[in-house]
Amino acid sequence: AQKVTQAQTEISVVEKEDVTLDCVYETRDTTYYLFWYKQPPSGELVFLIRRNSFDEQNEISGRYSWNFQKSTSSFNFTITASQVVDSAVYFCALSEARLGGSYIPTFGRGTSLIVHP
Amino acid sequence: GAGVSQSPSNKVTEKGKDVELRCDPISGHTALYWYRQSLGQGLEFLIYFQGNSAPDKSGLPSDRFSAERTGGSVSTLTIQRTQQEDSAVYLCASSKGPGSTEAFFGQGTRLTVV
Repeated sequence: AQKVTQAQTEISVVEKEDVTLDCVYETRDTTYYLFWYKQPPSGELVFLIRRNSFDEQNEISGRYSWNFQKSTSSFNFTITASQVVDSAVYFCALSEARLGGSYIPTFGRGTSLIVHP
Repeated sequence: GAGVSQSPSNKVTEKGKDVELRCDPISGHTALYWYRQSLGQGLEFLIYFQGNSAPDKSGLPSDRFSAERTGGSVSTLTIQRTQQEDSAVYLCASSKGPGSTEAFFGQGTRLTVV
């Protein structure tokens, strides 16, 4: 069974601080995908990144960076120089291939990030 | 369509009534998912469609919940005899189909049972 744990329920920072959102996952598969989604107050989940289990290279996109470590089953997300617009709930998710090639994401409980001006 | 569309965006219903929630996936997407997000909780998987069939409905919480999909497109999630614990945001997502890992989400339907 697959499982995703986001231990941080809520994080509060002041603008321009760096912040890291933790994600730990469990899976028995060797092939799987990890995701981060952002859910702003409007409610729609916005896709941020996908990594496959064979690619442990860290990724940077502007102020966002992701650290994937299979040894610790973690896929952490760092926002550098946070801004008020980063305030949202962030979800980590895991997908394994199922019969027929379908992928059904399993989500963590989310981390609510509040960035104060 | 350009994105996943859900209707209504908000629904208030009385306990015991039936409700129908609609999802219109991205055009050409054969896979469709329903999730439920309760206050302070993560996204709870309900059901997955590939085309019109539902190979995985393991997340439906009770037999009051059912879903169908017609024409490989629009899906309807029906909750019969609603209870207060059914109050949540119901999110729909779609993806291109087998082998596709990225799901695109709609804005959800906020259901309140009073």
